[in-house]
Amino acid sequence: EVQLVESGGGLVQPGGSLRLSCAASGFTFSNYWINWVRQAPGKGLEWVANIKQDGSEKYYVDSVKGRFTISRDNAKNSLFLQMNSLRAEDTAVYYCAKAERYSYGYNYWGQGTLVTVSS
Amino acid sequence: QLTQSPSFLSASVADRVTITCRASQGVNSYLAWYQQKPGKAPNLLIYDASTLQSGVPSRFSGSGSGTEFTLTISSLQPEDFATYYCQQLNSYPLTFGGGTKVEIK
Repeated sequence: EVQLVESGGGLVQPGGSLRLSCAASGFTFSNYWINWVRQAPGKGLEWVANIKQDGSEKYYVDSVKGRFTISRDNAKNSLFLQMNSLRAEDTAVYYCAKAERYSYGYNYWGQGTLVTVSS
Repeated sequence: QLTQSPSFLSASVADRVTITCRASQGVNSYLAWYQQKPGKAPNLLIYDASTLQSGVPSRFSGSGSGTEFTLTISSLQPEDFATYYCQQLNSYPLTFGGGTKVEIK
């Protein structure tokens, strides 16, 4: 059974940092692009970043470029999102998600982890 | 940019429902549709604009290509009351539509 389990969320002050993790199981993690998607409270979905199978390509939404870094450890079946210089508008539930193939939609999602940026 | 319409829809059980997603630039057929219920992660319904995801009821269908796409629910069921999102996977940044909330009339 495919599972994606996020962790690392919490309350952080503006300007602070947080590192999210996503533990994957039930599939060959190193074969797939993996994504981070977020959802602010009461708002819609926003794609944040993704990373190629070997980590050689990474893409980000403009609003997080230079502040967030996506990475992966294929040996540990884990995905990460290092978030620096956090802002109130980064407050959201963060999901990791995978697609069966690159251009397909995301057929597996984690349960999400809540990040709250507030003083 | 993806624009969904309507943003809110009130319908009755057994109604036929259509949601539209318009892209500001062509996205070929790299468009997906999701259903999301409160407090839950989204659930993939359609990918490649018109391919039904495994396990999704056949009352859901998708069509379109280029810049205009539709999600149709042929006969709305009680469990279909939820928020629906489109997503383009053609070019970066990948984007979602603003969502369509389907509520009970």
